[in-house]
Amino acid sequence: QVLLQESGPGLVKPSETLSLTCDVFGGSIISHYWSWIRQPPGKGLEWIGYMYFSGTTNYNPSLKSRVTISGDRSKKQVSLKVTSVTAADTAVYYCARVGATGWYFDLWGRGTLVSVSS
Amino acid sequence: DIVMTQSPDSLAVSLGERATINCKSSQSILYGSDNNNYLAWYQQKPGQPPNLLIYWASTRESGVPDRFSGSGSGTDFTLTISSLQAEDVAVYFCQQYYSNPYSFGQGTKLEI
Repeated sequence: QVLLQESGPGLVKPSETLSLTCDVFGGSIISHYWSWIRQPPGKGLEWIGYMYFSGTTNYNPSLKSRVTISGDRSKKQVSLKVTSVTAADTAVYYCARVGATGWYFDLWGRGTLVSVSS
Repeated sequence: DIVMTQSPDSLAVSLGERATINCKSSQSILYGSDNNNYLAWYQQKPGQPPNLLIYWASTRESGVPDRFSGSGSGTDFTLTISSLQAEDVAVYFCQQYYSNPYSFGQGTKLEI
């Protein structure tokens, strides 16, 4: 059984960088695409981007200038960095595995809440 | 960008009755070369992450009860729960994966 677990600071100051890590327990990390998705409290879902360990990445154009998704195969981790954060970046951040046949998300972590506030 | 719009925003259905949730995309998400609709449905219970129910508009994910079904093509899609159970109370989201940015509907809250 594959499990995903997000971790990182729960509070980030405006203009600073948000950094999160997703640990992948069980299964292969290199044979899947991995994505980050966020959900502001009480609101809908926003896809942030995905990566593959070949080096392929793809980002939501609305966030592309501020986002980097990367991975460490030896640690079985996928990471997210969002620079120059504002209150609008306050959300639960989910790590998710991309489906085998399409860009849907077949496995999600429990998510981690990041608040942006001074 | 493709905008996904769900209706209704909330829905109350009696136990054992049918629940129907609609999702409309701002442009067709049917890919002509493979004749697939690039649409998924998720269920999100309070305090939990979304859980994949349906992909390719009508393919049920492994382990999902067969009372859940998806239908539709092009721009109009439907998630149907044939006989509502208490554990189906949740928010349901549709998602298109036809083009970047992959986008979700605003969600439909299903209550008893």
